Amino acid sequence: GAGVSQSPSNKVTEKGKDVELRCDPISGHTALYWYRQSLGQGLEFLIYFQGNSAPDKSGLPSDRFSAERTGGSVSTLTIQRTQQEDSAVYLCASSFLTSGGRGDTQYFGPGTRLTVL
Amino acid sequence: GNSVTQMEGPVTLSEEAFLTINCTYTATGYPSLFWYVQYPGEGLQLLLKATKADDKGSNKGFEATYRKETTSFHLEKGSVQVSDSAVYFCALLRTGKLIFGQGTTLQVKP
Repeated sequence: GAGVSQSPSNKVTEKGKDVELRCDPISGHTALYWYRQSLGQGLEFLIYFQGNSAPDKSGLPSDRFSAERTGGSVSTLTIQRTQQEDSAVYLCASSFLTSGGRGDTQYFGPGTRLTVL
Repeated sequence: GNSVTQMEGPVTLSEEAFLTINCTYTATGYPSLFWYVQYPGEGLQLLLKATKADDKGSNKGFEATYRKETTSFHLEKGSVQVSDSAVYFCALLRTGKLIFGQGTTLQVKP
């Protein structure tokens, strides 16, 4: 598609359930990023993929959070045993990589609003 | 460490007023700098960027200049419109990840 797409757009779940959030990057973009936007914490980096590998997972808040990317394209962010503090908007972005291997301009999807009851 | 500080909002202006939103950063090396905008109910959109010192990014009448000596990237617009009402985020790019300021809400009244 023309832009980054994410699904679902909204997800309501009960505390303790697992959720999967999906991101489909811009075609041709080799780098993919996950961020979280919450009222208390602002915009926080979670994880970054270069191809199918994740050189930087430093922003994942706990071992309940994991992400994978397959085929250098679609990525899934999984949150296990969700807690109320996981409620936030989860944003995905993608970019080309520069020749030095660093990220270029990141383009964001519309986000998935997660509500944990 | 790397960080971005923006002026606190909300900023309320009348239509056609001059806008400045201050942004300063702390970073190792020379990061690329960005302004993103989030309109109500929408996702983050890139507004403008600058990749090296003294570069000026511009788009839709907005401008920002990368000032290494003052570690700043202030956003300006000469004449705001009601449609500019949104949240504006300043960000720097280091080692592949964006580090954002806390966001500044702009409300423009007719």
